[in-house]
Amino acid sequence: AQKVTQAQTEISVVEKEDVTLDCVYETRDTTYYLFWYKQPPSGELVFLIRRNSFDEQNEISGRYSWNFQKSTSSFNFTITASQVVDSAVYFCALSGQGAQKLVFGQGTRLTINP
Amino acid sequence: DAGVIQSPRHEVTEMGQEVTLRCKPISGHDYLFWYRQTMMRGLELLIYFNNNVPIDDSGMPEDRFSAKMPNASFSTLKIQPSEPRDSAVYFCASSSSGLSTDTQYFGPGTRLTVL
Repeated sequence: AQKVTQAQTEISVVEKEDVTLDCVYETRDTTYYLFWYKQPPSGELVFLIRRNSFDEQNEISGRYSWNFQKSTSSFNFTITASQVVDSAVYFCALSGQGAQKLVFGQGTRLTINP
Repeated sequence: DAGVIQSPRHEVTEMGQEVTLRCKPISGHDYLFWYRQTMMRGLELLIYFNNNVPIDDSGMPEDRFSAKMPNASFSTLKIQPSEPRDSAVYFCASSSSGLSTDTQYFGPGTRLTVL
């Protein structure tokens, strides 16, 4: 069975601090895909990134970066110089080979205080 | 381009009433997914369609729930009769293929409250 664990239920930091959101996954598939979604207070789910199991290169997009390590089954997300607008619930998700069923973690509620 | 469209955005109903949630996927996407989000269970996949055909409905909680996709641009999720425990946010998502490589794009959700 596939499983995604986001151990941090809530994180609160002061603006401009760096913050890392942890994601650990379990799967028996050799090919799989990992995702991060953002759910701001308005409620919608916004796609941030997709990563496949063959590509362990880190990804950087502006203040966002992702660290994928197969050895530890982790796909962590770092926000550099956080801003109040980054406040949201962030979900890590996994899909395996075959059908595109997404399995979500429980989410991490991130609060950036001014 | 328009994203996934869901209606209504909010629905308040009384126990026992029929509820119909609607979704319009992104044009050209041939996969459509229905998810439910609750505090207790998080985000769970209810059912998904490929080319209007239901592929996997193993996540549908019980017979009170049904979903249809009469054409490529419209899907409904119906609850009859509704119960207070059905209160949740229901999301619709679509993607352009069933491959794990593809990304699911979500609608804004429908917040359902059953009194």
